[in-house]
Amino acid sequence: DVKVTQSSRYLVKRTGEKVFLECVQDMDHENMFWYRQDPGLGLRLIYFSYDVKMKEKGDIPEGYSVSREKKERFSLILESASTNQTSMYLCASSSVGLGGGELFFGEGSRLTVL
Amino acid sequence: SQQGEEDPQALSIQEGENATMNCSYKTSINNLQWYRQNSGRGLVHLILIRSNEREKHSGRLRVTLDTSKKSSSLLITASRAADTASYFCAYSGAGSYQLTFGKGTKLSVIP
Repeated sequence: DVKVTQSSRYLVKRTGEKVFLECVQDMDHENMFWYRQDPGLGLRLIYFSYDVKMKEKGDIPEGYSVSREKKERFSLILESASTNQTSMYLCASSSVGLGGGELFFGEGSRLTVL
Repeated sequence: SQQGEEDPQALSIQEGENATMNCSYKTSINNLQWYRQNSGRGLVHLILIRSNEREKHSGRLRVTLDTSKKSSSLLITASRAADTASYFCAYSGAGSYQLTFGKGTKLSVIP
């Protein structure tokens, strides 16, 4: 069974803390994505990566950075967490590049910033 | 990117009835997909329809695509309580890695 695993389902952090959200996929996919999901706003793309060490900004990259040192792992970093980053974060991977293809999602990481 | 819009935002039906959800988008697309999300979980891919297709079936799911109107619909026939979830359309443009999601339709199927 194909799998995308997000390291933490629930996190509570304080304002100003550095936060790491880890995502690992076992499907040898080239493309990986980080979305955030908020009520009434749907899913919005933060960053994506189409190859190791490559990254591209999505629609809302401000306040976030990413790291992809290995093909299977894509990390989302909040350098200094703020309360408006309280959200559900979803990682996904895909084998299809340009033109889009089926995304495989992790179970999500619900982050609360106090 | 420009988010798609689903309609209705919420839908409540009795078990056994059909459920129809609509999606509109604003750009030229390569394909359009539908995903399902159970409460508090990740999204699961349901079906993909390419821009040169007009209709596609998968089990109790039927998807239509009208590129002239920039719209798609998802029909779930003979709904079950287990179909209760949020449903999202997502689309990608040719030459793009990105998939843009709509805001979703929350479906409740009452036993």
